Amino acid sequence: DIVMTQSPDSLAVSLGERATINCKSSQSVLYSSNNKNYLAWYQQKPGQPPKLLIYWASTRESGVPDRFSGSGSGTDFTLTISNLQAEDVALYYCQQYYSTPPTFGHGTKVEIK
Amino acid sequence: QVQLVESGGGVVQPGRSLRLSCAASRFTFTSFAMHWVRQAPGKGLEWVAVISYDGSKKNYADSVKGRFTISRDNSKNTLFLQMNSLRTEDTAIYYCARDSQGIPPNWFDPWGQGTLVTVSS
Repeated sequence: DIVMTQSPDSLAVSLGERATINCKSSQSVLYSSNNKNYLAWYQQKPGQPPKLLIYWASTRESGVPDRFSGSGSGTDFTLTISNLQAEDVALYYCQQYYSTPPTFGHGTKVEIK
Repeated sequence: QVQLVESGGGVVQPGRSLRLSCAASRFTFTSFAMHWVRQAPGKGLEWVAVISYDGSKKNYADSVKGRFTISRDNSKNTLFLQMNSLRTEDTAIYYCARDSQGIPPNWFDPWGQGTLVTVSS
């Protein structure tokens, strides 16, 4: 199984500042035949199910604010929240779908400083 | 708007069985693979099982293999999870989630609200 490791476990960021979450996979999730990274990011607010933010490592889901961006390739990925808003307080998970079983990182909690 | 509504959760004793359902609406159910993902209280997300769009292919997490069975009724737009020989460590919120394609794995979107399963004596 591919192990997904997120860092940090939690971070506190001031309103309007940038939050950066890292995700590392135990093996590459870049499929060479189509040059796509099989990685998604989700946001989970308390008491709610996860919500898809980004897929293919950097493609923003429709309706997701453009302050959310994803980057990286191979084994190292980043979710960046620019201009942090109060409604962005949540847990964030990365997930690889390169192989079965699909696996998730353990989550990163984003709070307001 | 796509909708997934889980039901069937509850409190059950170790060793007993439970069947979860997920009613899908407002999309072409027969075009998408479907997953079950669970989240133990205060913990992260754990993928449980997947079934292809036509039910011909199924896969399970090692932690539930041989105990859980995923199935679907495409005539009723419903996904199921039969859980047998339940253990205390199966206690979690169980979410159904739509795969983005017919053949998994892919990203999950959307997710249902979840149904809580508590395994306790």
